[in-house]
Amino acid sequence: DIQMTQSPSSLSASVGDRVTITCRASQAINTYLNWYQQQPGKAPRLLIFAASNLESGVPSRFSGSGSGTDFTLTISSLQPEDFATYYCQQTSSTLYSFGQGTKLEIK
Amino acid sequence: EVQLVESGGGLVQPGGSLRLSCAASGFTFKSYEMNWVRQAPGKGLEWVSYITASGGTTFYADSVKGRFTISRDNAQYSLSLQMTSLSPEDTAVYYCVRERASAGGVEFDYWGQGMLVTVSS
Repeated sequence: DIQMTQSPSSLSASVGDRVTITCRASQAINTYLNWYQQQPGKAPRLLIFAASNLESGVPSRFSGSGSGTDFTLTISSLQPEDFATYYCQQTSSTLYSFGQGTKLEIK
Repeated sequence: EVQLVESGGGLVQPGGSLRLSCAASGFTFKSYEMNWVRQAPGKGLEWVSYITASGGTTFYADSVKGRFTISRDNAQYSLSLQMTSLSPEDTAVYYCVRERASAGGVEFDYWGQGMLVTVSS
């Protein structure tokens, strides 16, 4: 099974900050990597698919990059609504797996 | 508008069984692979199970293999998850999720609101 490891597990930042979250796969997954945002009490929302493609309706301050085993999600200028938990997901193997999550909190 | 609405959750005793259902609308259900994802209280997301559009192929996470069965009724626009031999570790919110295929792979583009399953005596 492919293990996904996110870092950091939590992060404090301020509105307007640039933030980067990292996701590492236990084996190469090409660009079969998605990012989701989850607000408390809500279902996750797709942000980025295939490592770097912005989902329709998602603000352009979100971006993704990477291939193989190392990936990043970047938020260029944090907005109040961005404080949430973020998950990466690999779909290279049909036994899909998520990272453990990164909780982004207001400093 | 795409909608996925779960039902059938609730409180069940350890060792018991429960069947979750998901009613789909707003898209051609028979054209999409579907999944179940769960989230234990205060924890992260865990993929549970997958089923092809036709229902002919299924996959399961190791944690539920042999105990859970995913199925679908394309005529009724319905997805199900039959859960047996439940333990407290199965306590979670269960999400019904649509899978979209794109040029770059697959992604989970629509999620239900989630249904809480509590396993406790």
